[in-house]
Amino acid sequence: AQSVAQPEDQVNVAEGNPLTVKCTYSVSGNPYLFWYVQYPNRGLQFLLKYITGDNLVKGSYGFEAEFNKSQTSFHLKKPSALVSDSALYFCAVRDIDDYKLSFGAGTTVTVRA
Amino acid sequence: DTAVSQTPKYLVTQMGNDKSIKCEQNLGHDTMYWYKQDSKKFLKIMFSYNNKELIINETVPNRFSPKSPDKAHLNLHINSLELGDSAVYFCASSQNPNRGSGNTIYFGEGSWLTVV
Repeated sequence: AQSVAQPEDQVNVAEGNPLTVKCTYSVSGNPYLFWYVQYPNRGLQFLLKYITGDNLVKGSYGFEAEFNKSQTSFHLKKPSALVSDSALYFCAVRDIDDYKLSFGAGTTVTVRA
Repeated sequence: DTAVSQTPKYLVTQMGNDKSIKCEQNLGHDTMYWYKQDSKKFLKIMFSYNNKELIINETVPNRFSPKSPDKAHLNLHINSLELGDSAVYFCASSQNPNRGSGNTIYFGEGSWLTVV
């Protein structure tokens, strides 16, 4: 079984400040981890993924995420948030032996000017 | 040059009706999916097809029937629509997510279904 937890329903930050969106996961084997972003009335856009290798993964729009196996975490980060980063962010996990991608409940990010 | 396209984007229909949502991908992928997003934004997989073969079939009422005429298309037909079927339905595709591959799943823009 696999699952994802996003402990924060909402994250509020001021523009220019660092942004962190938390994610922890549970899988029986090794994980593939993904972050997606959803803007209002739009589909999910892929941001980045961890498959193997370097624990720090860089993705689109200046986002990065760090895989931490001991803490089973994959937190999304951006050094300097923009108002346009305001959206709903989903963390997702797939066990390498599974076809299914399981999503967290999502975290709404609001960046204020 | 839309990668995963689904139609219609918005659909309002009455209880008891039958409706279909169509999906097409031009990414050359061999695996396609249907996900449902409920009013609380939870995303849950419904079905997945790989090379026209059903590989994931979650606990979904049998009023929902996917059909994949070829690798590039996966349609969703819903019979006898109920109020609780109101949701956003996302089509998606990827390369074969077999063991050892971390292939990314790409999503369409969604179809907003409202049953009244």
